[in-house]
Amino acid sequence: GAVVSQHPSRVICKSGTSVKIECRSLDFQATTMFWYRQFPKQSLMLMATSNEGSKATYEQGVEKDKFLINHASLTLSTLTVTSAHPEDSSFYICSVTQGNEQFFGPGTRLTVL
Amino acid sequence: DAKTTQPTSMDCAEGRAANLPCNHSTISGNEYVYWYRQIHSQGPQYIIHGLKNNETNEMASLIITEDRKSSTLILPHATLRDTAVYYCIVRSTSGTYKYIFGTGTRLKVLA
Repeated sequence: GAVVSQHPSRVICKSGTSVKIECRSLDFQATTMFWYRQFPKQSLMLMATSNEGSKATYEQGVEKDKFLINHASLTLSTLTVTSAHPEDSSFYICSVTQGNEQFFGPGTRLTVL
Repeated sequence: DAKTTQPTSMDCAEGRAANLPCNHSTISGNEYVYWYRQIHSQGPQYIIHGLKNNETNEMASLIITEDRKSSTLILPHATLRDTAVYYCIVRSTSGTYKYIFGTGTRLKVLA
């Protein structure tokens, strides 16, 4: 299946700063990628669908001005958490769809101090 | 909202079969049942999926009831490495293929 990487694997930042997380499809051209967020001991929550060359589609309740998604190429989508606050601390996971399956990246642990 | 319900947690003895149930009573005819698992602090891993027939692969078997309102994932010989959270997901065969995760079942395999 598709191989998906994320960078960085973990990041610590100060409150008020912005953080960019990269999601790469290493062996597959992905027109669609998904971004999820997972708080401790909770399930994955879909944040948005990232579409190559067009605007992302955000799920209800997700602030699009705070979580900026850019899908500039078929192998790269980025999620920027703007003006991060401690409540944004979470595990962020991306995925790509290949055929009938979704393949997930290893996740990025964000800690905002 | 998630379209599936699963028990919160289960234990299984190492070497025994682990049977994980999932209820998806509102599933429609064009929706697949997918199973993924997530080992702590990693991304989810695909296990198996099916539409209406039972399926088997090298990892597991998927048994779907005839009315498709529930399914069971079977790990035939559970090992300690199978300890994880298992998610049952219902996904349309058309559209954006997005997944809505439920709470999953935390499976603990005991030595």
